[in-house]
Amino acid sequence: EAGVVQSPRYKIIEKKQPVAFWCNPISGHNTLYWYRQNLGQGPELLIRYENEEAVDDSQLPKDRFSAERLKGVDSTLKIQPAELGDSAVYLCASSRVQGESEAFFGQGTRLTVV
Amino acid sequence: SQQGEEDPQALSIQEGENATMNCSYKTSINNLQWYRQNSGRGLVHLILIRSNEREKHSGRLRVTLDTSKKSSSLLITASRAADTASYFCATAFGGFKTIFGAGTRLFVKA
Repeated sequence: EAGVVQSPRYKIIEKKQPVAFWCNPISGHNTLYWYRQNLGQGPELLIRYENEEAVDDSQLPKDRFSAERLKGVDSTLKIQPAELGDSAVYLCASSRVQGESEAFFGQGTRLTVV
Repeated sequence: SQQGEEDPQALSIQEGENATMNCSYKTSINNLQWYRQNSGRGLVHLILIRSNEREKHSGRLRVTLDTSKKSSSLLITASRAADTASYFCATAFGGFKTIFGAGTRLFVKA
């Protein structure tokens, strides 16, 4: 079974530039999560999708962050414009049943904003 | 914050010893999960324990849950160097929101 695939693995951009991350969840997993993880911290939930519907985006900084999950499969997370404080690892995860089953995580995208 | 909090923040033991990590949380939960993260494999799910369960085992892992104290513990028996990683508890509550703690960094010396 293929795992959660994220790309790119690494991204370095200058502040004020846009950046996008892509995630392909495990086939058949309806729930998709985007997390942000700062160094030495646990993952922080940004947004959770149930199929194509964003059911929890309370932690997403909506002034600069946006996300979409077209057709309830792949998802993209965008930051525009990026700030220095956005440097972190962005993790995508998927699960079969929201909150009631294990979440499978991708390897993440390490973003560095300079 | 309704985040789980792990204790200790860091733990260093000798190979073969047991490692115990604790997690405390603030609100009623649906379930609690433990994850491991190392540089090689990213975040990996270890075990899920539901709110009506008190103990679960998986190989060398033993998890307990005390809902009256809002706490959980993860015991790794006969630790190995390969167990060196960060361990996170994640609590799922209300609307199935899952919140991670800051983690315990375990170092197992060979």
